[in-house]
Amino acid sequence: DQQVKQNSPSLSVQEGRISILNCDYTNSMFDYFLWYKKYPAEGPTFLISISSIKDKNEDGRFTVFLNKSAKHLSLHIVPSQPGDSAVYFCAAGEETSGSRLTFGEGTQLTVNP
Amino acid sequence: GAVVSQHPSRVICKSGTSVKIECRSLDFQATTMFWYRQFPKQSLMLMATSNEGSKATYEQGVEKDKFLINHASLTLSTLTVTSAHPEDSSFYICSARAGVRMSQETQYFGPGTRLLVL
Repeated sequence: DQQVKQNSPSLSVQEGRISILNCDYTNSMFDYFLWYKKYPAEGPTFLISISSIKDKNEDGRFTVFLNKSAKHLSLHIVPSQPGDSAVYFCAAGEETSGSRLTFGEGTQLTVNP
Repeated sequence: GAVVSQHPSRVICKSGTSVKIECRSLDFQATTMFWYRQFPKQSLMLMATSNEGSKATYEQGVEKDKFLINHASLTLSTLTVTSAHPEDSSFYICSARAGVRMSQETQYFGPGTRLLVL
């Protein structure tokens, strides 16, 4: 049972344009969500997070949107840069229980110069 | 940001041997460490959660006798793959967290260890 899903295995955008990565979840107990960026043969690095009490969190070029009713979150990167090319994982968990994270399958983002 | 190291970064071993992977939090004390496994083009699959000084909690389907986890100190956790077989070949990643609540602390991931069992 895949509780966190990233339906797009890959996404290609032009430099300077917006990249939108999507993530859906099924577990209504999830109340904290994170996005990680991963390069090949490296561990994921934390990008941005959002708690379920918010519907938007912004950090520089990265913005995460949360739609609780739809159980959907998205990561917007604007403007996209070639260095953003990587695999992006969304992850979800239950904040107060300190439980482990459940990851999506990842989306390979390629930003073309 | 916080740094988590893993050693070795890559290991090749013969079938039947045991391999130990170390995970260290370099600039903070990790109350909880996690071990993940990633197959090519797939998600990170949590194998087990370990808290310092207590037994690890394994996810369903993960053999605790095959994947031995020791979290002896607040900065070190080890994963030992016992009697490794070719199907154990994978990318193993650890992560460390200082706090309990995710809003206070995030997980910091190590660079991963590529295991190839011949």
